[in-house]
Amino acid sequence: DAKTTQPNSMESNEEEPVHLPCNHSTISGTDYIHWYRQLPSQGPEYVIHGLTSNVNNRMASLAIAEDRKSSTLILHRATLRDAAVYYCILLTNSGYALNFGKGTSLLVTP
Amino acid sequence: DADVTQTPRNRITKTGKRIMLECSQTKGHDRMYWYRQDPGLGLRLIYYSFDVKDINKGEISDGYSVSRQAQAKFSLSLESAIPNQTALYFCATSDLHSGTSFTGELFFGEGSRLTVL
Repeated sequence: DAKTTQPNSMESNEEEPVHLPCNHSTISGTDYIHWYRQLPSQGPEYVIHGLTSNVNNRMASLAIAEDRKSSTLILHRATLRDAAVYYCILLTNSGYALNFGKGTSLLVTP
Repeated sequence: DADVTQTPRNRITKTGKRIMLECSQTKGHDRMYWYRQDPGLGLRLIYYSFDVKDINKGEISDGYSVSRQAQAKFSLSLESAIPNQTALYFCATSDLHSGTSFTGELFFGEGSRLTVL
């Protein structure tokens, strides 16, 4: 199972952009990069995913390095509601992940 | 109503008791999962099922069993609960594709908090 490495915590000011990094140096060619976030007292929720190209949706953007060994989740304007634990995981094309890791705890301050 | 519903949401039990956590979904997905979350350890996969006749062990299946009663229902059992099974348990569902695009997006329930005394 390919592993990911994320910083334990990050802090951002409200309304500023946030770049959450993830390293996945052992990623295989068929692994998809998925990001989830977990708000306090809730189950994780899907944020975005990608394979090779950068992706945008209404929640965030995903920038994937050319060698695919790292990726960055970009929140364009952080709000207090974005304070959560963000998980970067790799999904095989069989579509399951054994382990979500510890994720990055994002603190957003007013 | 939630797409993925877990019952009970909270349960306190004693060592040695049999416990069942239930999960039902209205997403129409074939794939269902049980994860365990411990403080500071993220989520770890216990069991997963790709369809009603397919059950697979995850990373930490010892001490647990599952039953896939129907496409929409996936239950997790602790035959003889022990204190180190105290944790937050999440059920999730997924579908590999949306149209022609791969998604693999996981949809999680709100969790079942289990305390074993």
